[in-house]
Amino acid sequence: DAGVIQSPRHEVTEMGQEVTLRCKPISGHDYLFWYRQTMMRGLELLIYFNNNVPIDDSGMPEDRFSAKMPNASFSTLKIQPSEPRDSAVYFCASTVGTFGYTFGSGTRLTVV
Amino acid sequence: AQSVTQPDIHITVSEGASLELRCNYSYGATPYLFWYVQSPGQGLQLLLKYFSGDTLVQGIKGFEAEFKRSQSSFNLRKPSVHWSDAAEYYCAVGAGGGKLIFGQGTELSVKP
Repeated sequence: DAGVIQSPRHEVTEMGQEVTLRCKPISGHDYLFWYRQTMMRGLELLIYFNNNVPIDDSGMPEDRFSAKMPNASFSTLKIQPSEPRDSAVYFCASTVGTFGYTFGSGTRLTVV
Repeated sequence: AQSVTQPDIHITVSEGASLELRCNYSYGATPYLFWYVQSPGQGLQLLLKYFSGDTLVQGIKGFEAEFKRSQSSFNLRKPSVHWSDAAEYYCAVGAGGGKLIFGQGTELSVKP
């Protein structure tokens, strides 16, 4: 089992550019979560999916953020346009059934 | 609303000493409770979880936690800390629908 795979591990981009973060959940897991981690705000749930359907996106900070899950093995989190305050570590996690997340290693995003 | 409070932002213990990290939760029903550990540059790893039954839960790496309903607490303990235990520790409560609400984390430093 390769675990939850996120790419890229690091991303540096200029303000105003589009950024796409990718996540491959563990095969068979039916829930997928996107979290953002910053020093100031800790871990924030952005959005989560169940069986590829978005269930709760109330944590998405602005319309600049969007997430998709076109199939059970892939999800993207897109920021367009990016801003310096979006700099953070973005984690993807997946689970089967109720709880017991497995987290990916995260994508460290820096917007300059 | 569900919430988790970790009162200690940073704790330092000597190697070989015992450890207790505090966690208090707010939840209307019987909670699902979790402890995660995050090493620098890594994702979060599940240490242990409580769903029901025995209130003393054993986890990986020699950790245990005790659920105390009367105190709304789920403190993490380890009898003898190793230098490799230095990390950030997060308590979390299940918020329904597969969501987890995380505390702000406690950073553990270990003195030689």
